[in-house]
Amino acid sequence: AQKVTQAQTEISVVEKEDVTLDCVYETRDTTYYLFWYKQPPSGELVFLIRRNSFDEQNEISGRYSWNFQKSTSSFNFTITASQVVDSAVYFCALSERGTSYGKLTFGQGTILTVHP
Amino acid sequence: SQTIHQWPATLVQPVGSPLSLECTVEGTSNPNLYWYRQAAGRGLQLLFYSVGIGQISSEVPQNLSASRPQDRQFILSSKKLLLSDSGFYLCAWRGIVATDTQYFGPGTRLTVL
Repeated sequence: AQKVTQAQTEISVVEKEDVTLDCVYETRDTTYYLFWYKQPPSGELVFLIRRNSFDEQNEISGRYSWNFQKSTSSFNFTITASQVVDSAVYFCALSERGTSYGKLTFGQGTILTVHP
Repeated sequence: SQTIHQWPATLVQPVGSPLSLECTVEGTSNPNLYWYRQAAGRGLQLLFYSVGIGQISSEVPQNLSASRPQDRQFILSSKKLLLSDSGFYLCAWRGIVATDTQYFGPGTRLTVL
């Protein structure tokens, strides 16, 4: 069975600090997708990134960066120079690639609070 | 571009009353559709998914049911609500081009009293 673990329940930082959110996954599949979603106080889940299991290149998008390491089954998310607007719950998720319905397995989420 | 709508945004219902939550998607055809519930503990639980009109699969046995009467419409229902049905209900869609990315709607916050 697939499993996603986000060991950090809550993280609190001061604005402009860098913060890394950890995600460790378990799967027997050789092909899969990994995702990060952001859930601001409004509640809607906002898609941030998808990573194919064959693509281990790190990715940077503005202040966001993602580090995917198959050897350690981790897909960590770093926010550089955090801002108050980054305060949200962040979810890591795993999908079996190629299933007819693409079931997502979510981690329990990490609550990030950025203080001014 | 694709958009997904859910209504109502919030709902307060007494125990034993019926429920109908609606989700519609615009700008895409034949999407996969999903209903999730997020309880107070933050985790997301997949309730139902649909790969086409009239096709519903249930992930978890419960007091709820789902229907897909039209290609881009997904409805979550209950005949008699329980206190444990309270939560945040999210609808999501995924395109048939298998990018596997699910996009979520704004959600419905349901409180059963």
